[in-house]
Amino acid sequence: AQKITQTQPGMFVQEKEAVTLDCTYDTSDPSYGLFWYKQPSSGEMIFLIYQGSYDQQNATEGRYSLNFQKARKSANLVISASQLGDSAMYFCAMRELSRDAGNMLTFGGGTRLMVKP
Amino acid sequence: DSGVTQTPKHLITATGQRVTLRCSPRSGDLSVYWYQQSLDQGLQFLIQYYNGEERAKGNILERFSAQQFPDLHSELNLSSLELGDSALYFCASSPPGGMSYNEQFFGPGTRLTVL
Repeated sequence: AQKITQTQPGMFVQEKEAVTLDCTYDTSDPSYGLFWYKQPSSGEMIFLIYQGSYDQQNATEGRYSLNFQKARKSANLVISASQLGDSAMYFCAMRELSRDAGNMLTFGGGTRLMVKP
Repeated sequence: DSGVTQTPKHLITATGQRVTLRCSPRSGDLSVYWYQQSLDQGLQFLIQYYNGEERAKGNILERFSAQQFPDLHSELNLSSLELGDSALYFCASSPPGGMSYNEQFFGPGTRLTVL
């Protein structure tokens, strides 16, 4: 079963505007972490932001914020004031934290964001 | 720069061959993870080592094997290569810890092309 779903294969956003990238997840583990990574055309994976399942507040890191809705099992990434350098693939990932879960990340299919000047 | 190094950056080989991908984790990190990114399978976890021992296994083919050495570097061996093995192979490392949040730091990847 798909554990991480990113329903937007590609998105356009106008420079300086905000954009929301969707991510829904599925787990029965009560303890988990949610991650967003950025992959520019050069290929490297850049960590952006993390949200723990027990965190009371939505995570924020500079222009990135995570809209965490636990009951809906969604963890959408919001990028404010988009810049041309934000054009990249964005991956949502989950790590289940129970003792026998292993530490691996499970990734969604990704969303390609293109910022228009 | 994440501090994780991978060599080689690019690798081109023929079907049926065997290759070895190398990864050095960040200083102090005990865990090494291998991921494969391909067009049809996306990003998927292959295997994890922790301080020299295999800790978790994902969708790793029997033709693939890995190990982590006493100096904590890791190698991923791919044998009897097929066209479908062409992919970007990432190594990631994370610091020692319990069940708490641990970011995984990704290396730049090795792009394998099988002709």
